[in-house]
Parts: sequence; structure tokens; C-alpha cells
Amino acid sequence: EAQVTQNPRYLITVTGKKLTVTCSQNMNHEYMSWYRQDPGLGLRQIYYSMNVEVTDKGDVPEGYKVSRKEKRNFPLILESPSPNQTSLYFCASGLPGIGQGGEKLFFGSGTQLSVL
Amino acid sequence: AQTVTQSQPEMSVQEAETVTLSCTYDTSESDYYLFWYKQPPSRQMILVIRQEAYKQQNATENRFSVNFQKAAKSFSLKISDSQLGDAAMYFCAYRRNYGGATNKLIFGTGTLLAVQP
Repeated sequence: EAQVTQNPRYLITVTGKKLTVTCSQNMNHEYMSWYRQDPGLGLRQIYYSMNVEVTDKGDVPEGYKVSRKEKRNFPLILESPSPNQTSLYFCASGLPGIGQGGEKLFFGSGTQLSVL
Repeated sequence: AQTVTQSQPEMSVQEAETVTLSCTYDTSESDYYLFWYKQPPSRQMILVIRQEAYKQQNATENRFSVNFQKAAKSFSLKISDSQLGDAAMYFCAYRRNYGGATNKLIFGTGTLLAVQP
């Protein structure tokens, strides 16, 4: 079954304690991305990756890091979480090719993060 | 920069009735796609319908249809014969059709739809 797997589903942590949210896809997609969802703001892109070892900032990258050492995995790293990073996070993967703007993006099931 | 606006934070509809969710967007591009995503309480993001900007015909998927007005930059979603399972947050989204880094989906702020039995 084609899917994007995120873990954990829920996470409560304290300010400053490093954490990693994992994301893995089994569709051999080159493109992967992280979004955060906040009430009244919709979903905003944090980082994206066009392929292995190719990553770039989205609209709200401050306080986050990513890595893409393997095609299937795209972890999101918060080295020193702060309360303003309390949010619902989504990983997504898809096809980045020219003329494929209509292609479906596959989303993970989300990670609800609370930073106390 | 492209923006997507959903001016209705919450909507309510009676079961079996029809409801229309509004979305407007701003772009200087001519080649793009528009989407409606559904997010039920499970938080899963589910693609409901998509519309290519170059297609004049409005997209339909069973009980879901859109009213795409390119000149007005409007993209509303109509849900006919509403069912209890339609209750969810609905997001309107935009994406350029040039691939690469522009694969980014730009989302509106969402409309929370309640369905009354």
C-alpha cells in the first residue's frame, strides 16, 4: 500500500529538548516536504527536498532542520524546541516533474507536537 | 506571491442539503492547479477534487463539484446531498504547474464544515 508514515503521532516535550519527527514513504518519490498546520493559518511549508541530499527552505524554516540521506526518509529535527513550535506537522511526498502540478501529494497522518 | 483566501471560518449544513464553500486566490501565473482537501477529525489530508486552470469545464467528483471562475480568481466547492461523513475541515490550495520547487501547495486557512442530522 502506497503511504507516507510519520512517527510519532503525538509528542509532548519541554523547551530546549531536541527531538526528531520521522517520515518515510514507500512510493520512490523524489519530492518530500514538511508542513505545519496552525489554527487560522492553514498549512505552511517548512522545508522541502527535491532528491537525496537536496533540501531547501520553505516559508517558515526558522527553528527546524531536515536531512535527506536516503530517498525514502525525510526527518524533521527541532534542535531546541520552543512553545511557538507547538503545532500539527505533516510530511508529504509526490512527483516534482514539470507539468505535474496536478499530481496528488501524499500526506502522512500528522504529528501533534506540544512544547511546554 | 500567490495567496489563497477562505473567508468562511465555519459553515453548517443540514444533512441532504447543499452547501458551497468559498475560496479566492491571487496569482499572476496562468498555468496552475487548484485543489480542495478534506481533513476529518482523523487529521488525514484527503484530496477531494482538483481543477486545472486551462480547463474551462468545472471539475466534478460524485457529490462534489467546483465553480471555477478564472477571471475572478474564485474557486468554490459545492457539496450536494450532504452526509454526516462530510463534516470536516476543508482546505483550498493552489500549486503552480511548473514542477520542481514549485511543487509547493499554498493553502488557505480552512473552513470547518458541520453537518446537522
